[in-house]
Amino acid sequence: EAGVAQSPRYKIIEKRQSVAFWCNPISGHATLYWYQQILGQGPKLLIQFQNNGVVDDSQLPKDRFSAERLKGVDSTLKIQPAKLEDSAVYLCASSLRSGEAGSGNSPLHFGNGTRLTVT
Amino acid sequence: AQSVAQPEDQVNVAEGNPLTVKCTYSVSGNPYLFWYVQYPNRGLQFLLKYITGDNLVKGSYGFEAEFNKSQTSFHLKKPSALVSDSALYFCAVRDKAAGNKLTFGGGTRVLVKP
Repeated sequence: EAGVAQSPRYKIIEKRQSVAFWCNPISGHATLYWYQQILGQGPKLLIQFQNNGVVDDSQLPKDRFSAERLKGVDSTLKIQPAKLEDSAVYLCASSLRSGEAGSGNSPLHFGNGTRLTVT
Repeated sequence: AQSVAQPEDQVNVAEGNPLTVKCTYSVSGNPYLFWYVQYPNRGLQFLLKYITGDNLVKGSYGFEAEFNKSQTSFHLKKPSALVSDSALYFCAVRDKAAGNKLTFGGGTRVLVKP
């Protein structure tokens, strides 16, 4: 099966500019996640979608970050305006399902990420 | 709140020797536990998981992990390490009582020397 696709692979922007990342999950995966991985740290969940609805966005800095998953398939993550501390790898992941009883054991499948450098 | 601790930033081991990567967790309910591996410039790859049942879980590439409820640990092990096992390893926990949110540890870099 095709894996999780992300683009672009790399992005360099200046602070206060805006940037958008795209993710196409594995076909049939209802749950989609965006993680932020700062160098030397573990991934931190930004937002989780179940189909096209938001399940958890408690750690998303909503003053500058936004995400959508129209039609419950592809997703975009946007940062506007970017700050220096946003430099990180942004990972998209998908899983069959999550949130229902007995379904929390579905492993996540990750894309290769987008490495963002804010100068 | 759930959390995961990986106490070692780096583990060095000689090829052919056993490898252990430590992980402890904290959850309010029953945990689902996972190990992922990350190679340079790549996303995370799933290695194995513990959901219920046998405390010893076998996964990909010869890795296994042992769930220890009393010590709240889920250490990753491999009997004989390969140079190609050199990578970054992440432990993660999911707590059904916390809405199935997956929380990762800070990662452990494994360096296997020939």
